[in-house]
Amino acid sequence: DAKTTQPNSMESNEEEPVHLPCNHSTISGTDYIHWYRQLPSQGPEYVIHGLTSNVNNRMASLAIAEDRKSSTLILHRATLRDAAVYYCILKDSNYQLIWGAGTKLIIKP
Amino acid sequence: DTAVSQTPKYLVTQMGNDKSIKCEQNLGHDTMYWYKQDSKKFLKIMFSYNNKELIINETVPNRFSPKSPDKAHLNLHINSLELGDSAVYFCASSLSPGPVAGTQYFGPGTRLTVL
Repeated sequence: DAKTTQPNSMESNEEEPVHLPCNHSTISGTDYIHWYRQLPSQGPEYVIHGLTSNVNNRMASLAIAEDRKSSTLILHRATLRDAAVYYCILKDSNYQLIWGAGTKLIIKP
Repeated sequence: DTAVSQTPKYLVTQMGNDKSIKCEQNLGHDTMYWYKQDSKKFLKIMFSYNNKELIINETVPNRFSPKSPDKAHLNLHINSLELGDSAVYFCASSLSPGPVAGTQYFGPGTRLTVL
């Protein structure tokens, strides 16, 4: 079973920031938080990952709560091409990604 | 250059047939995976190979047999196909199976339809 909880869907306007929340209340001290996304009819793609500190890359930012029980993926300026299902994932004891249902992000023009 | 490629992209076949899906990665990764994504869109790990050795074998029917001829290839052979095998199958690879270097790169998927 997935160890994370995300809203089923979210809507945002084009060119506005998007904050995608994720709860992972049972996270252990060594669990990294991974985010992937899946565009329609494509394979999943890596977005970002982090452990404790906030992380930035060219695609997004990851804000991790101080207690690490939640995190937020931030898309600074969403475009229509960012419409996808976003997955917040922890790994199991075998380091395998445990996928949940993700959040379907809808971008309105 | 395609990092992780799969063939075929679509596969339509009759119940009872045997079919194979091929996967190749040109990233120089040591670890490869097969996932199944069903109609409800949940991704489930099926197999994982590290350096051509099977390291993860989830509860998958024996009709599914992965084969890794070398580190760059992981093929999936399915015997006696059933209706419930209809799904999208994704291949992925990562540098290693670890907690950080295990960032996975996915292929475009193979949509299998069993009639």
